[in-house]
Amino acid sequence: NAGVTQTPKFQVLKTGQSMTLQCAQDMNHEYMSWYRQDPGMGLRLIHYSVGAGITDQGEVPNGYNVSRSTTEDFPLRLLSAAPSQTSVYFCASSYDREGMNTEAFFGQGTRLTVV
Amino acid sequence: AQSVSQHNHHVILSEAASLELGCNYSYGGTVNLFWYVQYPGQHLQLLLKYFSGDPLVKGIKGFEAEFIKSKFSFNLRKPSVQWSDTAEYFCAVSRPDSWGKLQFGAGTQVVVTP
Repeated sequence: NAGVTQTPKFQVLKTGQSMTLQCAQDMNHEYMSWYRQDPGMGLRLIHYSVGAGITDQGEVPNGYNVSRSTTEDFPLRLLSAAPSQTSVYFCASSYDREGMNTEAFFGQGTRLTVV
Repeated sequence: AQSVSQHNHHVILSEAASLELGCNYSYGGTVNLFWYVQYPGQHLQLLLKYFSGDPLVKGIKGFEAEFIKSKFSFNLRKPSVQWSDTAEYFCAVSRPDSWGKLQFGAGTQVVVTP
């Protein structure tokens, strides 16, 4: 049982380039989220999904797109990379039990540097 | 705006010392509360969680936390730390119907010296 898998682990982009961060979970969780982690700011929510075909914006969505065509996959797309997007990105999944959220399970993270 | 505050950004202590990390949140109503730990170079792992019931929650690795509703607090404690507890600790809050979304504190970097 792999849990939440993110690829790549490291990436360097030039300003203006686009790329997709991959996230997959094998736990059949309905909820998936993307966070970015910056020093002194904790983790901030970029986008989230409550199920296949349903996504919404979080706290810091600008410059990022998401889609969720299957329960398992939730890719994050950077449309035109900027140095301000240099960060560590975490994907997470969770589910409801008895009508309430459970804890989130996190992937290993993607360290992105935009030069 | 709703927020989660962690009082200490950086803590240095010796092995066997006691640790207490503060966390306050500004949400009204029912909340789910979590402490996550991030060891150097690793992803976030759940230390403990509170959904309801006994406000004193025990987690992994000897950690515990106390939910005090009147103070909107969820402080993390460990009676005797080890060098291996060196990590960053995050408090997080969610609403029961928030579709898995978490609001995180800024984190506390804990360094335990031998």
